[in-house]
Amino acid sequence: AQSVTQLDSQVPVFEEAPVELRCNYSSSVSVYLFWYVQYPNQGLQLLLKYLSGSTLVESINGFEAEFNKSQTSFHLRKPSVHISDTAEYFCAVSPILTGGGNKLTFGTGTQLKVEL
Amino acid sequence: GAGVSQSPRYKVAKRGQDVALRCDPISGHVSLFWYQQALGQGPEFLTYFQNEAQLDKSGLPSDRFFAERPEGSVSTLKIQRTQQEDSAVYLCASSLEGYSGNTIYFGEGSWLTVV
Repeated sequence: AQSVTQLDSQVPVFEEAPVELRCNYSSSVSVYLFWYVQYPNQGLQLLLKYLSGSTLVESINGFEAEFNKSQTSFHLRKPSVHISDTAEYFCAVSPILTGGGNKLTFGTGTQLKVEL
Repeated sequence: GAGVSQSPRYKVAKRGQDVALRCDPISGHVSLFWYQQALGQGPEFLTYFQNEAQLDKSGLPSDRFFAERPEGSVSTLKIQRTQQEDSAVYLCASSLEGYSGNTIYFGEGSWLTVV
């Protein structure tokens, strides 16, 4: 079984400041890792994912996340946030199974509020 | 369509009433998922289909919950004798294939309020 912990339920930050949203996971098997974003009144959208290769992955809008296997973490960072980044961010994992199946286990989410 | 479509978007049900929530996945997507998201929580897995086969229903909270995908496309989540604790957003999602790591696309959800 897998579990995901997002310790920060809310993160307020001023525009143009850096931000880090923390994610830790627990799993008895290897996992793939994901960050989803939910803008107000919209559905969940994939922000970025780590499958293999370089442990640092980037999104098209400037976010990046680094997979740290020893610390079982996948923290999300952005060096300079914009007001439009205000949203709820969910970390999720999917077990790597030889038989297929890509069920996601989510954390409880972090509300990022960017202020002027 | 371009994305995962869910209907109704909002449903108010009286306690004890049966409800049916519909999901149209992205055309050609093999895998279909249902998740439940309570207020202030992350989505929680309910059930998974690969084509018309329901391969995992371990997340369904009780036998009042039933899901089907008879022709491997549209899916319906049915909740019988609704209770207040069933109030949540029900999310449908689909992916092109069923292997781990495949991107899962979510609909906007059906908001269910049981009064």
